[in-house]
Amino acid sequence: RKEVEQDPGPFNVPEGATVAFNCTYSNSASQSFFWYRQDCRKEPKLLMSVYSSGNEDGRFTAQLNRASQYISLLIRDSKLSDSATYLCAVNRRDSGTYKYIFGTGTRLKVLA
Amino acid sequence: EPEVTQTPSHQVTQMGQEVILRCVPISNHLYFYWYRQILGQKVEFLVSFYNNEISEKSEIFDDQFSVERPDGSNFTLKIRSTKLEDSAMYFCASSVTYDSSYEQYFGPGTRLTVT
Repeated sequence: RKEVEQDPGPFNVPEGATVAFNCTYSNSASQSFFWYRQDCRKEPKLLMSVYSSGNEDGRFTAQLNRASQYISLLIRDSKLSDSATYLCAVNRRDSGTYKYIFGTGTRLKVLA
Repeated sequence: EPEVTQTPSHQVTQMGQEVILRCVPISNHLYFYWYRQILGQKVEFLVSFYNNEISEKSEIFDDQFSVERPDGSNFTLKIRSTKLEDSAMYFCASSVTYDSSYEQYFGPGTRLTVT
């Protein structure tokens, strides 16, 4: 089982729709969580950190469920420009150091 | 807004040649990383670096790879004898801290093509 798993998609949604992605992690030592956005052949860009209480940034809402070991990203009122691959990243402690593990990403296509 | 920069954007090399990929991390960041992403695959951690030492490295980071901070601004990844399977995007990243909540910021990447 992969340590960080995401549905690869693609999720095809019309403009204005609400879409949600999940990311599951298997290692309970995971301590912090992030969503990145990656456009084709570009670098991952940090979208938001995910806090235990959940957090919102404009149209984006991130949630963490430690009991079930998953994080989620909700995008409201999708724009064409939201089309990208969304990567989750999990930071966990391992023998005194921290490891950043990425999921394979979920591809989103917002359609006009 | 400060950003991580990388050069070159694209490097083509022949199998067996040495390549050096360069990165300039964000100026007040203290921790530096290299990742690679083979086309269509996930971002994979290679190495982390702090205080002129490797902090952590993955199984991918074998003896063919080395990192260096030759001066106060550059951070380099050297691949001594490239293989076809080294073809990938190589991303440099940096962070201010190295604790449970640190956020990493990525450079635009160098696309390495080994022929």
